[in-house]
Amino acid sequence: GENVEQHPSTLSVQEGDSAVIKCTYSDSASNYFPWYKQELGKRPQLIIDIRSNVGEKKDQRIAVTLNKTAKHFSLHITETQPEDSAVYFCAATLGEGNQFYFGTGTSLTVIP
Amino acid sequence: DSGVTQTPKHLITATGQRVTLRCSPRSGDLSVYWYQQSLDQGLQFLIQYYNGEERAKGNILERFSAQQFPDLHSELNLSSLELGDSALYFCASSVNDGGEQFFGPGTRLTVL
Repeated sequence: GENVEQHPSTLSVQEGDSAVIKCTYSDSASNYFPWYKQELGKRPQLIIDIRSNVGEKKDQRIAVTLNKTAKHFSLHITETQPEDSAVYFCAATLGEGNQFYFGTGTSLTVIP
Repeated sequence: DSGVTQTPKHLITATGQRVTLRCSPRSGDLSVYWYQQSLDQGLQFLIQYYNGEERAKGNILERFSAQQFPDLHSELNLSSLELGDSALYFCASSVNDGGEQFFGPGTRLTVL
């Protein structure tokens, strides 16, 4: 099955700096890549996603890039704010009838 | 609020016991997914149901079982509980088979 690896496991940045989290996947047939944010004690919430027919997607301060050849995708957060502090999970799936494979998470701390 | 509800919010029980966790998907969503999240761990996919049928199976123990009812709510049954089953159990739903998943608030299970 699919194998998703996520790095780094922890990340600390100064407020206003950028944060980048990277994930790699093993199955070239994976076609949907969501990113979830989970604040302490709360549910994971989708923050951005990308499909395999797109190389980049941006939503305000958040962007995701996908390199299908290298089989990796990254989350970019610019102008970080303290409220961005959370655990971020990437995931990959082959689509219908297939489960989501989640990365192990990145704990992001934004230092005011 | 994602529209996905889970009950109970907290559950404390003893080893060897059996519990049932309940999930109601968002109105109109046909798929229900169950995940286990242990302390400081990522999201482990357990099982998916789509319109009443089992659709995908992950690392679900034989002591665990699930079903989706005609009204599309789902139940996860955990039996012969062990200390290691203590975790946060999330339910998620999506409109179809695959695609964006919306997570419920989770049920925190503590096995003493």
